[in-house]
Amino acid sequence: KNEVEQSPQNLTAQEGEFITINCSYSVGISALHWLQQHPGGGIVSLFMLSSGKKKHGRLIATINIQEKHSSLHITASHPRDSAVYICAVRSRYSGGGADGLTFGKGTHLIIQP
Amino acid sequence: ETGVTQSPTHLIKTRGQQVTLRCSSQSGHNTVSWYQQALGQGPQFIFQYYREEENGRGNFPPRFSGLQFPNYSSELNVNALELDDSALYLCASSRSRAGGYEQYFGPGTRLTVT
Repeated sequence: KNEVEQSPQNLTAQEGEFITINCSYSVGISALHWLQQHPGGGIVSLFMLSSGKKKHGRLIATINIQEKHSSLHITASHPRDSAVYICAVRSRYSGGGADGLTFGKGTHLIIQP
Repeated sequence: ETGVTQSPTHLIKTRGQQVTLRCSSQSGHNTVSWYQQALGQGPQFIFQYYREEENGRGNFPPRFSGLQFPNYSSELNVNALELDDSALYLCASSRSRAGGYEQYFGPGTRLTVT
């Protein structure tokens, strides 16, 4: 079973700062997801990646398959970026049925004005 | 918004009761996964349904059961509720069961068991 570790658990930063959230996992994957969860619970998918790098607006996600590590970066952070950011992985499909996503515990990000 | 809806949004039940939660998947999606998120924790995989069949299950007891209907909407049923079942229940739909498809999450149902 895959284990997913995120760091830091909590992060408070000032508006405009460059933010990095890290994710490490233990076994091979077919895809890694970065998700955003606001108070109240709803989850929004930010990125799904299996190699390289993806960019969407001020968000950048990278993955290093050999090192089993991914990072989520936020440039020019803003108070509306305050949320919980969750890393989740799907293990390589073994043919025996899906095992769903395995989630990290999340990083609580607060951006102060 | 993702197009995935869940009902009800909130629910309070008593220990020992049974509950049914519902999820409507996004148009064109045939796969629904259910997750339980306890307070302060990441979601845990309960099970997945693909074309009306259970396609995989996490470490949850048999009193957690599900259904998927021909329109690919889904239900999660929990029997003999326990206090530890209090959590946010999330469903996610995807275009297929394979790992390369993005999952779209619903807003969740918050269940409180007293």
